[in-house]
Amino acid sequence: LAKTTQPISMDSYEGQEVNITCSHNNIATNDYITWYQQFPSQGPRFIIQGYKTKVTNEVASLFIPADRKSSTLSLPRVSLSDTAVYYCLVGDPSGGYNKLIFGAGTRLAVHP
Amino acid sequence: DSGVTQTPKHLITATGQRVTLRCSPRSGDLSVYWYQQSLDQGLQFLIQYYNGEERAKGNILERFSAQQFPDLHSELNLSSLELGDSALYFCASSVDNSGRPSSYNEQFFGPGTRLTVL
Repeated sequence: LAKTTQPISMDSYEGQEVNITCSHNNIATNDYITWYQQFPSQGPRFIIQGYKTKVTNEVASLFIPADRKSSTLSLPRVSLSDTAVYYCLVGDPSGGYNKLIFGAGTRLAVHP
Repeated sequence: DSGVTQTPKHLITATGQRVTLRCSPRSGDLSVYWYQQSLDQGLQFLIQYYNGEERAKGNILERFSAQQFPDLHSELNLSSLELGDSALYFCASSVDNSGRPSSYNEQFFGPGTRLTVL
């Protein structure tokens, strides 16, 4: 059974860079790694996705090492509005091609 | 606004009852996913449908069932409800990319239905 592991919580200050790592030891060779952001009482929202190496968009970067057993979401210069829960998402190879597993989530608190 | 709608927003019912949650995907999206999020818990994948057919099953209880209709809206049926079924139920949709795993698809989530079982 695939499993993902993330830190339960993190604290940061405005303007700092935040890195959140997710471990996914049993990721399938064709699987993608996706990160979502969730605010209270809202549905999650897509942040970034990657397969290997580094991906960058206007809000974040995603670093994936060669063995793909982990991934790190990097949020540059966080602001108070980045306070949210961040989830990694991968597929579960034990469940066939398309079964999905979200990590337990990392609760990020950004302080002034 | 993600373009995914869910009804009702809130639902309060009693143990042993049956309820139906409804989801309308974004225009053009063929895949619908259902998730359960209990209080202060992560998201548990329940089931995915693609163009009317079941594509993947997660940790969905036998008391729960879902379907996707020809107009692509989906319903999640929860029966013999227990106190522990109280949770937020999210629906998401995506444009499914043929030949790629579901982990590739960017999912757009609805606002959720909050179910309270008393």
